Amino acid sequence: GAGVSQTPSNKVTEKGKYVELRCDPISGHTALYWYRQSLGQGPEFLIYFQGTGAADDSGLPNDRFFAVRPEGSVSTLKIQRTERGDSAVYLCASSLEGGGTDTQYFGPGTRLTVL
Amino acid sequence: GQQLNQSPQSMFIQEGEDVSMNCTSSSIFNTWLWYKQDPGEGPVLLIALYKAGELTSNGRLTAQFGITRKDSFLNISASIPSDVGIYFCAGQHRHYGGSQGNLIFGKGTKLSVKP
Repeated sequence: GAGVSQTPSNKVTEKGKYVELRCDPISGHTALYWYRQSLGQGPEFLIYFQGTGAADDSGLPNDRFFAVRPEGSVSTLKIQRTERGDSAVYLCASSLEGGGTDTQYFGPGTRLTVL
Repeated sequence: GQQLNQSPQSMFIQEGEDVSMNCTSSSIFNTWLWYKQDPGEGPVLLIALYKAGELTSNGRLTAQFGITRKDSFLNISASIPSDVGIYFCAGQHRHYGGSQGNLIFGKGTKLSVKP
């Protein structure tokens, strides 16, 4: 079956621009996560959705980062006034219900480069 | 953000050899997970551990959840070329009521196999 998909796979932008990154979770998965992975590091948590609501946004680094999931399926991560330090791979994961033994399935990521 | 202490950072091994890597944390986790990430892909779950002291195998992979709940190890027996990749440990807290928290990752162990 279809896994988690993310678009675009690569995004190059200029400092100060606005970008949107999209995540299509596995069909039927109610829990959705965004992580950011810098070069040579493990993924770092950004935000967790349960359905349409953000259940935990404690990982968002500042108010330039925002994410939505208006219909409880597709999610968009939005970054305003991008900075060179935002360059990283942005990973999305989904799980069935967010329960204690749920498996988080990851997408291939979007590689964001801010020039 | 918080990251786990994972070692070794990288290793070269001869095909057929056994591999061992471990992960430690200053805090207690309810769940320990081991993921493998190939270039250009998202992490893929290898083994999940849910109870302190638990020892779980998945083919040639064996992992244990430390009794203190602050550490875990992963062993790969009889390594083969396709074992090449980056292995990440991840710890997870569980919220009151059983819902899962976000994953906290180590920095990864890069495994290279000499053919």
